[in-house]
Amino acid sequence: GENVEQHPSTLSVQEGDSAVIKCTYSDSASNYFPWYKQELGKGPQLIIDIRSNVGEKKDQRIAVTLNKTAKHFSLHITETQPEDSAVYFCAAGRGYSTLTFGKGTMLLVSP
Amino acid sequence: GAVVSQHPSRVICKSGTSVKIECRSLDFQATTMFWYRQFPKQSLMLMATSNEGSKATYEQGVEKDKFLINHASLTLSTLTVTSAHPEDSSFYICSAPGDANEKLFFGSGTQLSVL
Repeated sequence: GENVEQHPSTLSVQEGDSAVIKCTYSDSASNYFPWYKQELGKGPQLIIDIRSNVGEKKDQRIAVTLNKTAKHFSLHITETQPEDSAVYFCAAGRGYSTLTFGKGTMLLVSP
Repeated sequence: GAVVSQHPSRVICKSGTSVKIECRSLDFQATTMFWYRQFPKQSLMLMATSNEGSKATYEQGVEKDKFLINHASLTLSTLTVTSAHPEDSSFYICSAPGDANEKLFFGSGTQLSVL
């Protein structure tokens, strides 16, 4: 089955800095890679996703890059704000029904 | 994106009682829904896949008789934790595929505390 590794487990940045979270996956057949943001006591919220036919996708301050050859993908958040503080999960799978989640990254943005 | 509504958000119950958690897809139909369990500071663990009109599919190690799933309509799935015990205390989250089955959306979660 799929195995997803996520790093770092904790990331502290100053407001305005960029934050990068990296994930690797093992199943070369995986073709869907979403990222979720989870605030304390709430369910995960889909913030961006990418499919294997695209190398990069951007949505305002958030971007995701995918390297199929190396089997890794990354989340990039620019101009971080305190409200970006949360736990971020990456996931990989052959579509939404087979997603395997990473262990999460706690992002702390200090004012 | 699609909205998944989950209730209750928090429940406290006595050991031995049963608790029902509802998951609804708003403004879209979901023939499949997923139930997860999440321990503090840990990732999401898939418990079961709920299928409208048929039996749920449980992941290995998940007790079918302990976690009863019913998916009686295209917009509602329920998870009943039967004879709850303190070790069942956890955060339970449901999800459903939306946006023409292209993406997975999550409910707001239910924090279950069994005394």
